[in-house]
Amino acid sequence: GEEVAQTPKHLVRGEGQKAKLYCAPIKGHSYVFWYQQVLKNEFKFLISFQNENVFDETGMPKERFSAKCLPNSPCSLEIQATKLEDSAVYFCASSPLANTEAFFGQGTRLTVV
Amino acid sequence: GQQVMQIPQYQHVQEGEDFTTYCNSSTTLSNIQWYKQRPGGHPVFLIQLVKSGEVKKQKRLTFQFGEAKKNSSLHITATQTTDVGTYFCAGGYGQNFVFGPGTRLSVLP
Repeated sequence: GEEVAQTPKHLVRGEGQKAKLYCAPIKGHSYVFWYQQVLKNEFKFLISFQNENVFDETGMPKERFSAKCLPNSPCSLEIQATKLEDSAVYFCASSPLANTEAFFGQGTRLTVV
Repeated sequence: GQQVMQIPQYQHVQEGEDFTTYCNSSTTLSNIQWYKQRPGGHPVFLIQLVKSGEVKKQKRLTFQFGEAKKNSSLHITATQTTDVGTYFCAGGYGQNFVFGPGTRLSVLP
């Protein structure tokens, strides 16, 4: 597709529940990025992929967060045992090459109650 | 790790006034990108600067990359209400980009 598609748009989870977010990058784009944006507006980088390989995961809280980009499937970001502070908008972006324009999806708003 | 600072955090202007946001890195950048995010929306790419001292214009927007490739600015001439949003710079360090905290612009009609 011509745009990054993120699902669902909104997700509500009770504290301790699992949350799974999906991202379909633009067809032909090799790089996928996940960012977390909290109320203060700051973007926190989580993880990036080059095709199905992890490119950079320095931002990932590894004990509860995991992500995958498998061939012929949407990429996913999973949070095990959600906490209140995980409430944020999670953006996925894709780009055709490294160091080029990133196209962002509409985001998934996760609310942990 | 790499950090990108951005000032001001907020800017309120009267329609027709100019606006500038500044982006600063403690280390040399390979390139810099600028994005605009409308309230409730997603970031939209505006431009990428690569060369030292580069200046690019898009209608009323002027982007500059410092000579030392450590700072950048975005200047909007004669703001309009459609310019409302948060402007983010994203500093390129090798293969990765680090976003600044953004400058939220409000324009009073």
